[in-house]
Amino acid sequence: GEEVAQTPKHLVRGEGQKAKLYCAPIKGHSYVFWYQQVLKNEFKFLISFQNENVFDETGMPKERFSAKCLPNSPCSLEIQATKLEDSAVYFCASSQNSLPYEQYFGPGTRLTVT
Amino acid sequence: LAKTTQPISMDSYEGQEVNITCSHNNIATNDYITWYQQFPSQGPRFIIQGYKTKVTNEVASLFIPADRKSSTLSLPRVSLSDTAVYYCLVGDTGFQKLVFGTGTRLLVSP
Repeated sequence: GEEVAQTPKHLVRGEGQKAKLYCAPIKGHSYVFWYQQVLKNEFKFLISFQNENVFDETGMPKERFSAKCLPNSPCSLEIQATKLEDSAVYFCASSQNSLPYEQYFGPGTRLTVT
Repeated sequence: LAKTTQPISMDSYEGQEVNITCSHNNIATNDYITWYQQFPSQGPRFIIQGYKTKVTNEVASLFIPADRKSSTLSLPRVSLSDTAVYYCLVGDTGFQKLVFGTGTRLLVSP
């Protein structure tokens, strides 16, 4: 597709529950990124993939967060046991290697942990 | 990755030209200067990118002086729909994570 798709749009979980977010990158883009926006302007990089391989995971809280990008499937970001501080908007973005610093973002998934 | 500094907020009125300046003193030789726009409840959107001098597209112009230590995003004749947060970033490759600063919150009033 020509746009990055993210589902669900909103997700509400009780503390300790699992949350799973999905992202379909733009067709032909080989890189996928996950970002967390906690406060209105503050972005935190989580992880990136080159096709199905983890490219950069320096931002991932590894104890509870995991992510995958498998062939012919949407990419996913999973939080095993959610905490209140995980409440945020999670954005997925995709890019082609040939474009300097240009990424295409999805509409985001708003996760609320109660 | 070079750090950027930009004003936290700006106010303008419809029909005016808005210039947002970004400082990036430690920009590397290979870095491009890229601006993103984020509307409420949406993901950031790439709006313009440049390496040096001036770049113009249908949305904005980007002015970059010879030393490349700063850049100015120019929005001609803003409308209410230009109210958004504008982020200035520097980087060189499509596979590099984006490092966002706090951005500039532009409010356009009638």
